Amino acid sequence: ETGVTQTPRHLVMGMTNKKSLKCEQHLGHNAMYWYKQSAKKPLELMFVYSLEERVENNSVPSRFSPECPNSSHLFLHLHTLQPEDSALYLCASSQDTGPTNTEAFFGQGTRLTVV
Amino acid sequence: AQKITQTQPGMFVQEKEAVTLDCTYDTSDPSYGLFWYKQPSSGEMIFLIYQGSYDQQNATEGRYSLNFQKARKSANLVISASQLGDSAMYFCAMILDNYGQNFVFGPGTRLSVLP
Repeated sequence: ETGVTQTPRHLVMGMTNKKSLKCEQHLGHNAMYWYKQSAKKPLELMFVYSLEERVENNSVPSRFSPECPNSSHLFLHLHTLQPEDSALYLCASSQDTGPTNTEAFFGQGTRLTVV
Repeated sequence: AQKITQTQPGMFVQEKEAVTLDCTYDTSDPSYGLFWYKQPSSGEMIFLIYQGSYDQQNATEGRYSLNFQKARKSANLVISASQLGDSAMYFCAMILDNYGQNFVFGPGTRLSVLP
């Protein structure tokens, strides 16, 4: 148990569907992250939230929409996805952003398949 | 540019033997943190060990130790007494003060422990 929980673990959705991924942490961390892990590609940072404010958006398509209603929860809203969006989506949290972190925890990931 | 290099795409080790997974990094920032994560086939990212750029001693966590050679910019992970459950992908990562406040990940090394 890492303290970061992602739901659902698996998701299959059509290209016209709308779905949301949820991430929850009760570690008292101030920073939360969404990463995308595709086959044969390095981990890609999608979004960073620090104290519930977005501080990083690595040019992610607008069909991915993050939401951070409080410091414990992070959502990734999905709509009109493409098959190439099929990947493992990982949520992470850390005390803060920057090199003063001595640990950062990941959730178990949501394996998304777009059909 | 900030970058993590893991030159071993795949490694094999006999059970109960030690193995070293290589990681080199490139940054001009004096302040950074280095992490190792394990990712089993289930997809979750498991935090293993952390080394701060100003730490004088090499980090150790149980069977994991980090061979930190700052002048050579290397942070190799040493796993002692390998177990079958150690078979997984291993990622080296760096967190910086001024790089978009996020992690930089290496491409990973797949470790296979042989019985």
